[in-house]
Amino acid sequence: AQSVTQLDSQVPVFEEAPVELRCNYSSSVSVYLFWYVQYPNQGLQLLLKYLSGSTLVKGINGFEAEFNKSQTSFHLRKPSVHISDTAEYFCAVSRNTGGFKTIFGAGTRLFVKA
Amino acid sequence: ETGVTQSPTHLIKTRGQQVTLRCSSQSGHNTVSWYQQALGQGPQFIFQYYREEENGRGNFPPRFSGLQFPNYSSELNVNALELDDSALYLCASSLAVGGSHTGELFFGEGSRLTVL
Repeated sequence: AQSVTQLDSQVPVFEEAPVELRCNYSSSVSVYLFWYVQYPNQGLQLLLKYLSGSTLVKGINGFEAEFNKSQTSFHLRKPSVHISDTAEYFCAVSRNTGGFKTIFGAGTRLFVKA
Repeated sequence: ETGVTQSPTHLIKTRGQQVTLRCSSQSGHNTVSWYQQALGQGPQFIFQYYREEENGRGNFPPRFSGLQFPNYSSELNVNALELDDSALYLCASSLAVGGSHTGELFFGEGSRLTVL
């Protein structure tokens, strides 16, 4: 079975500062990895995904993440955040064969301060 | 391209009642997953439907049931509602081809259920 641990429940950061949201996963098989963002009273929207290939993945809104198989991590980064990046961010994992279930972490609340 | 739509957006029920939530998947998608998101928590996988059959289930009791229709729309039914069932219920559609999943989930905005 797969599981996801997001290491920080809340991350406050000043506008234009860099940010890293941490995610570790556990799986006995190869996986796909995702980051989703959720704005208040909305559904989730995909930021980026790792399926295979290059371990550095670039997504929307200037976010990127790096897949590290040896450390089973998939941390999300942005070099300079904006007020509009304030939202809940979820790391997620699914198997890439034999089943399509996607498992989500508990989320990290990113709060960008002026 | 039509996105994922869910109805109703909000509803209030009392303990013991039954509820049906509906989801229209994105055009071209053949897989629907349902999630429960309690306040301040991540989405919890309830179950998934692929080609009108349940294709995986999370740790939810049998009073949570579902259907997928030939047009790939879906329903989530919850019987004997409990206070802890109060949550945002999210539907997500995706595409599976030849037994492989393309990965990305497309979410609706959810149905917020309050059980009193």
